[in-house]
Amino acid sequence: AQSVTQLDSQVPVFEEAPVELRCNYSSSVSVYLFWYVQYPNQGLQLLLKYLSGSTLVKGINGFEAEFNKSQTSFHLRKPSVHISDTAEYFCAVQSTSYGKLTFGQGTILTVHP
Amino acid sequence: NAGVTQTPKFQVLKTGQSMTLQCAQDMNHEYMSWYRQDPGMGLRLIHYSVGAGITDQGEVPNGYNVSRSTTEDFPLRLLSAAPSQTSVYFCASAQGLSYEQYFGPGTRLTVT
Repeated sequence: AQSVTQLDSQVPVFEEAPVELRCNYSSSVSVYLFWYVQYPNQGLQLLLKYLSGSTLVKGINGFEAEFNKSQTSFHLRKPSVHISDTAEYFCAVQSTSYGKLTFGQGTILTVHP
Repeated sequence: NAGVTQTPKFQVLKTGQSMTLQCAQDMNHEYMSWYRQDPGMGLRLIHYSVGAGITDQGEVPNGYNVSRSTTEDFPLRLLSAAPSQTSVYFCASAQGLSYEQYFGPGTRLTVT
């Protein structure tokens, strides 16, 4: 079984400030890790993914995430946010051996001017 | 490429009615899945398919049926709608296990 916990349901931040969205996961097998973003009234799109190799993963729109196996975490970061980054962000985990993708509860990032 | 398409965009059903949510993709992806999104609960997997003729249950399969007769289509059937099935439904497809999932625009379903 696998599970994902996003530690913050809402994160307010001012424009140009740094942000970190926290994600912890639990799994008894090896996993792939993903971050997706959902803009209002739209479907989800991939920000970045960790499959193997370097633990620091860079994605689109200046986002990056670090995989920490010992802490079973995959936190998402951006050094300077824009108003357009306002959206809901989902962390997800998928077993390397079967197809079920499990999502966290989501974190609503609101960027204020 | 249209990507992943879903119809209808909005639907209102009465309790006990049945309907089919349509999902199609034109990327020749083997892997397709259905999720429901409810506030504060993220996306929960209903059913998924790893190829034509192969389907399996996800986290919340009760009340839903699926079939996969072609690579392109993956319809979701509600046999007897209940108010608890009021939700936004997303279909997604992917080339394989570790690949990005492409999501459709969603269907907003209300059951009264």
